Amino acid sequence: NAGVTQTPKFRVLKTGQSMTLLCAQDMNHEYMYWYRQDPGMGLRLIHYSVGEGTTAKGEVPDGYNVSRLKKQNFLLGLESAAPSQTSVYFCASSYLGLLMGNEQFFGPGTRLTVL
Amino acid sequence: AQSVTQLGSHVSVSEGALVLLRCNYSSSVPPYLFWYVQYPNQGLQLLLKYTTGATLVKGINGFEAEFKKSETSFHLTKPSAHMSDAAEYFCAAGGGSNYKLTFGKGTLLTVNP
Repeated sequence: NAGVTQTPKFRVLKTGQSMTLLCAQDMNHEYMYWYRQDPGMGLRLIHYSVGEGTTAKGEVPDGYNVSRLKKQNFLLGLESAAPSQTSVYFCASSYLGLLMGNEQFFGPGTRLTVL
Repeated sequence: AQSVTQLGSHVSVSEGALVLLRCNYSSSVPPYLFWYVQYPNQGLQLLLKYTTGATLVKGINGFEAEFKKSETSFHLTKPSAHMSDAAEYFCAAGGGSNYKLTFGKGTLLTVNP
């Protein structure tokens, strides 16, 4: 099993450009999450999904959109990138959320720089 | 609202010394607690977790953590540090909501030869 994979690994954008980050998992997990990691800030939840066709806002959703058309994929979109969105983005998945203490499995991350 | 506090953004130990990374949480409901490790330029990997039952939890690579409800703590320990333990460690807490996992800001562990 590949687990959780993310595409691309690195990207440099100019302010105002758009892009989509792809997350894929092969563990048949219901829940998927997008986080951003900034120095000294830990991980902050951007958006999450509790199943195919569903999405919901996390702590820091502004400037991002998401879609979950297929159970195994969770896409994160930046419509008009800003320098404040320079960060490392992590996707995660879990079997049934925190029910019974299910842990989240993380992808390797995407390092995004917005100039 | 849940919060997680990790004392010390940077901990430095000598190889062979005890590792102690501190984590305190605030929660109005019984929590699920996790420790994750992040090696440079990689994603987060689960070290161990507490859900219910035994309060001393053993994880991978010789790490363990003890859930102390009275102290709202979940400190991570390892008796003897190895060079390969150098990484950033994150404590996380969940509970009260089925989706939200709250992370601490992380502790960078340096192991000196």
